Amino acid sequence: QKEVEQNSGPLSVPEGAIASLNCTYSDRGSQSFFWYRQYSGKSPELIMFIYSNGDKEDGRFTAQLNKASQYVSLLIRDSQPSDSATYLCAVNNNNDMRFGAGTRLTVKP
Amino acid sequence: KAGVTQTPRYLIKTRGQQVTLSCSPISGHRSVSWYQQTPGQGLQFLFEYFSETQRNKGNFPGRFSGRQFSNSRSEMNVSTLELGDSALYLCASSPTGYRRSYNSPLHFGNGTRLTVT
Repeated sequence: QKEVEQNSGPLSVPEGAIASLNCTYSDRGSQSFFWYRQYSGKSPELIMFIYSNGDKEDGRFTAQLNKASQYVSLLIRDSQPSDSATYLCAVNNNNDMRFGAGTRLTVKP
Repeated sequence: KAGVTQTPRYLIKTRGQQVTLSCSPISGHRSVSWYQQTPGQGLQFLFEYFSETQRNKGNFPGRFSGRQFSNSRSEMNVSTLELGDSALYLCASSPTGYRRSYNSPLHFGNGTRLTVT
């Protein structure tokens, strides 16, 4: 079992829709969870992080965490073509940060 | 504040050679981590350095090594290059301290793309 698992996609949504990206992790000791966006040919850039159960909102982005289910998600509201990228879920277990393989999102105009 | 700087941006090497990659972290960041990114494996953790000491290491062979200098700049070395070492190597710095802060994000550089022929 991989430490951090994401659906590789591609996930395709129309412009203006909500994109839902999911991530599961295996280490119950994990303490914080990060979402990164990576455009093709570029390095990952931080979108937001969460460490408490529940929802955390930042603009059009909402991160959701359920530690009992070892599940974290990212919702992107009013998706724009500029949101088309690979989204990486990262899990910090206080030793290092481990990444999922990423979900490729395409937002169609 | 300047971001994480990695040099060089591109490298082409031949099997059996060795290579050294360089990373300058964000000013004030003392933790530097290295990752290998390939299309098949995604981002794989190589190692982390803090205050010139390797604090953690991933599952890579001993051909992969690194070090950190007193100014927090870090280098990564790969010896006896193999074709499978072709990848994007990413360096990331973090403001975390001696007691690792669980909410300290990684800030990535633009990476060094290594091609082994």
